[in-house]
Amino acid sequence: DADVTQTPRNRITKTGKRIMLECSQTKGHDRMYWYRQDPGLGLRLIYYSFDVKDINKGEISDGYSVSRQAQAKFSLSLESAIPNQTALYFCATSDFDSSTDTQYFGPGTRLTVL
Amino acid sequence: AQSVTQLDSHVSVSEGTPVLLRCNYSSSYSPSLFWYVQHPNKGLQLLLKYTSAATLVKGINGFEAEFKKSETSFHLTKPSAHMSDAAEYFCVVIQMDSSYKLIFGSGTRLLVRP
Repeated sequence: DADVTQTPRNRITKTGKRIMLECSQTKGHDRMYWYRQDPGLGLRLIYYSFDVKDINKGEISDGYSVSRQAQAKFSLSLESAIPNQTALYFCATSDFDSSTDTQYFGPGTRLTVL
Repeated sequence: AQSVTQLDSHVSVSEGTPVLLRCNYSSSYSPSLFWYVQHPNKGLQLLLKYTSAATLVKGINGFEAEFKKSETSFHLTKPSAHMSDAAEYFCVVIQMDSSYKLIFGSGTRLLVRP
């Protein structure tokens, strides 16, 4: 079984709809991250969480919110989806090591907002 | 602030020939650098990482990268390309602040011709 799972894998929704993307991990890591990937831009950080009580904004948090329900679960919500939020979304986890902080990625969720 | 620049958006090689994917970095500190690979419709997989130990880093699938401080480079190489190497490759640096977030390059798509 995969260590980092994301649901759904694909989603098509309409402008104005609320949508939630879910991430679960079995690696036992404290740190979890949400990124979005757009062609030619690499990945950009939306939100990150160092533990259940710690939530931090990344570089592109506007229009998104997150919830860390448990150590293993980190959800990303779009309260009112808009077309420019069409992207590939990745969840990642890490077990903090200040020198390396290797992050492990889920398979991604492809979101299309019409 | 840390940043990485991938010098080529696309690289095309013939199977069996060497691969060179170029990455330059900018960092005020001794950086931690990574190469990740993304195969079509898959998540990101760590290829290798540099953490100020040996300057020549060996990764999975025959890839390696050399950290050159004088040139601020961290190029990825492989002696002989295989068809299965066709993917997108990301050079990544850790932002050395309280977030330890990953800063991604824009990616290089590697095409392998038979």
